Amino acid sequence: SQQGEEDPQALSIQEGENATMNCSYKTSINNLQWYRQNSGRGLVHLILIRSNEREKHSGRLRVTLDTSKKSSSLLITASRAADTASYFCATDPRRASWGKLQFGAGTQVVVTP
Amino acid sequence: EAGVAQSPRYKIIEKRQSVAFWCNPISGHATLYWYQQILGQGPKLLIQFQNNGVVDDSQLPKDRFSAERLKGVDSTLKIQPAKLEDSAVYLCASSVAQVTGANVLTFGAGSRLTVL
Repeated sequence: SQQGEEDPQALSIQEGENATMNCSYKTSINNLQWYRQNSGRGLVHLILIRSNEREKHSGRLRVTLDTSKKSSSLLITASRAADTASYFCATDPRRASWGKLQFGAGTQVVVTP
Repeated sequence: EAGVAQSPRYKIIEKRQSVAFWCNPISGHATLYWYQQILGQGPKLLIQFQNNGVVDDSQLPKDRFSAERLKGVDSTLKIQPAKLEDSAVYLCASSVAQVTGANVLTFGAGSRLTVL
């Protein structure tokens, strides 16, 4: 079974708009990560937020984490056509010794010019 | 640095046949993972190695799937015999051993398997 659930499943926006996607999870975590997957490719790590952090920024990405609600959000500002991809959250369970990441089903984002 | 190498990129087989996938992780990465990604779903962990030892294979269908990492470097995932439901992308990933409590994975491009 998958730990994280992303919402929405799909998102279609125009270039320049912001894209927001959410991730909910079930068990306590050590950290939460977001990955991007372009069509036909492997996943690429975007950003990591630790359980004691509430917000983190990296370029046009902003991630928030609410451990009381067991949820996270990823915001992509000023989206570009190149941001078209699937985005996955992955949780690193607190009790895991070696970081057994569990992935959600992903949000498919389409950015039209 | 070179990325995670996987081969073959694509494979089409008949059900009940066998197939093998190969992965070469990033040099120095002690931890190696095999994930299965069915179309429209997120990756599902099949097996995790630390050097040449298995850390977790709880979700590996051991009646048909096997994996090894003999010298603690590259790895092979085998399916024998294949079923229709094994059609998926098999992703290999690697990471350095946890030192700060954060484990970031680097993925290969994947091997797409179609079982007819």
